[in-house]
Amino acid sequence: GDSVTQMEGPVTLSEEAFLTINCTYTATGYPSLFWYVQYPGEGLQLLLKATKADDKGSNKGFEATYRKETTSFHLEKGSVQVSDSAVYFCALKPGAQKLVFGQGTRLTINP
Amino acid sequence: EAGVAQSPRYKIIEKRQSVAFWCNPISGHATLYWYQQILGQGPKLLIQFQNNGVVDDSQLPKDRFSAERLKGVDSTLKIQPAKLEDSAVYLCASSLGGANVLTFGAGSRLTVL
Repeated sequence: GDSVTQMEGPVTLSEEAFLTINCTYTATGYPSLFWYVQYPGEGLQLLLKATKADDKGSNKGFEATYRKETTSFHLEKGSVQVSDSAVYFCALKPGAQKLVFGQGTRLTINP
Repeated sequence: EAGVAQSPRYKIIEKRQSVAFWCNPISGHATLYWYQQILGQGPKLLIQFQNNGVVDDSQLPKDRFSAERLKGVDSTLKIQPAKLEDSAVYLCASSLGGANVLTFGAGSRLTVL
């Protein structure tokens, strides 16, 4: 079945460091890909998405490119801030079927 | 627009008791989802409604969990009787249609003692 594998956490970085959180997926067909973020005490929020191969999703300085050849959707940010501390979830959605999540990666940014 | 509303935010019960969670989706959103998020794991779909019909309930433990979406608007998820392993955050989400982006509520955190 469809599945998502994320980089193991937790990840701890210093402010202004470069961030990469790896995400690979297994799916039949061509799913849409997402990154959701969960800040402490809050619900899941959509961070960015990509709906087809080579699409780049971006928001709040974060980027991820839909790589069909490597079945990946890695999340990157050039300079992280303390306020980026949260749990990040990679997810896929094949059309009208259910959204399937990875296990999440906890990110902590130290000042 | 108003977001997805859920209540209660927190609930503590003893095992074998029952509990119910309520969700009001974004107005006009035809598709409603209930997810279970156990601590340290990604959310897992329990049930998906399209209007008031069930699209996917393959991972719903039907011996103890039930859900309904009367009139195709708000929804209730019930657990009866609860087990220790049901301790989790129950997330409700909605979308305009099945292929659209999901908007999540803040969640209802259940602790079973």
